[in-house]
Amino acid sequence: EAGVAQSPRYKIIEKRQSVAFWCNPISGHATLYWYQQILGQGPKLLIQFQNNGVVDDSQLPKDRFSAERLKGVDSTLKIQPAKLEDSAVYLCASQQGSYNSPLHFGNGTRLTVT
Amino acid sequence: GESVGLHLPTLSVQEGDNSIINCAYSNSASDYFIWYKQESGKGPQFIIDIRSNMDKRQGQRVTVLLNKTVKHLSLQIAATQPGDSAVYFCAENIRDSSASKIIFGSGTRLSIRP
Repeated sequence: EAGVAQSPRYKIIEKRQSVAFWCNPISGHATLYWYQQILGQGPKLLIQFQNNGVVDDSQLPKDRFSAERLKGVDSTLKIQPAKLEDSAVYLCASQQGSYNSPLHFGNGTRLTVT
Repeated sequence: GESVGLHLPTLSVQEGDNSIINCAYSNSASDYFIWYKQESGKGPQFIIDIRSNMDKRQGQRVTVLLNKTVKHLSLQIAATQPGDSAVYFCAENIRDSSASKIIFGSGTRLSIRP
């Protein structure tokens, strides 16, 4: 089974610029998550989708972050405008069911904001 | 709160010895727990999970113990190998009125002494 695919692997931008990340989950996985992982910390949940609907976005800084999952498959996460503190690895994960099953992660996109 | 914490940020173990990584969780309503291994430059990799109706579960060289009375979780790795060097995260499934979501702790770095 193919894993969760994410692109790009690395991105360097200047503050106030915009950036977008893409995720393709494991085929058939209905639930998709975006996490932010700052160096030395555990992943922090940003947003959770069930099919193409948002289940939880309580930790998403909505003034600058947005995410969508059109057609309930691929997802994009956008930051506009970026701040220095957005430097982190952005991880996408998918889950077969809605709960009590493990998340499967991609290798993430490492974002550096200068 | 929605926090999952760890007792020790780093753990150094002699190759061949057993490793024990501990985790405390705060939400008594959490019903599912997962251990992840994260190597440098990669996303978290699922190791083993346990549901709240169990107190022990075994995998290949790994055992997870759950003590709901004191809200404590541990991961035991038998005969630790150099390939076990990584950061280990515990995560809990928290359910509220709107959604079920996976929350991560801050991680323990496991290093292996030859």
